[in-house]
Amino acid sequence: AQTVTQSQPEMSVQEAETVTLSCTYDTSESDYYLFWYKQPPSRQMILVIRQEAYKQQNATENRFSVNFQKAAKSFSLKISDSQLGDAAMYFCAYRSAGNDMRFGAGTRLTVKP
Amino acid sequence: GAVVSQHPSWVICKSGTSVKIECRSLDFQATTMFWYRQFPKQSLMLMATSNEGSKATYEQGVEKDKFLINHASLTLSTLTVTSAHPEDSSFYICSADMGAGVQNIQYFGAGTRLSVL
Repeated sequence: AQTVTQSQPEMSVQEAETVTLSCTYDTSESDYYLFWYKQPPSRQMILVIRQEAYKQQNATENRFSVNFQKAAKSFSLKISDSQLGDAAMYFCAYRSAGNDMRFGAGTRLTVKP
Repeated sequence: GAVVSQHPSWVICKSGTSVKIECRSLDFQATTMFWYRQFPKQSLMLMATSNEGSKATYEQGVEKDKFLINHASLTLSTLTVTSAHPEDSSFYICSADMGAGVQNIQYFGAGTRLSVL
């Protein structure tokens, strides 16, 4: 079974600084996608960024970028120029060709003004 | 992005009653919808996968007779918690696939907070 591990229950960053959230996963599949979702206090899940496993180039979305290391099965999220609105729970997720999505335990990000 | 509407957002019910939660894809057709359960300060746990026109696929440990899922159309899936008890109190979230295949993004509803007294 595929597992997703987020080893940082909580992280804190100063406003305007950069923070990296870690995620590792375990799979024997070759075709899969990786995602980072944000869950603010409203609890609405919001897609932050996604990465196709067959692409070597790291995905970027404005201030959000990933460091995808396929051999190491690592998928970290870097948030640059952190803003107060970035404060939320961040979930790393894995999705295989079997179509179901598996989530990590989450990392609570606090942004200090 | 695509919009998934989940209703109600909060429901309080008495123990022994049944509660229905609706999940609608508003601007796209969803062949597959998913139901998750989230306990406080925990991650999302997949309960079942719902395919339009067929029976839902439940995850191990999820009671089929307790959590009834119906996916009667390409835009609507419902989760009915039957004979609810306090231990069923939780946050339930649905999501929908736009299209088919692993490359498609899941769009999430805003969730339903269920409190069973």
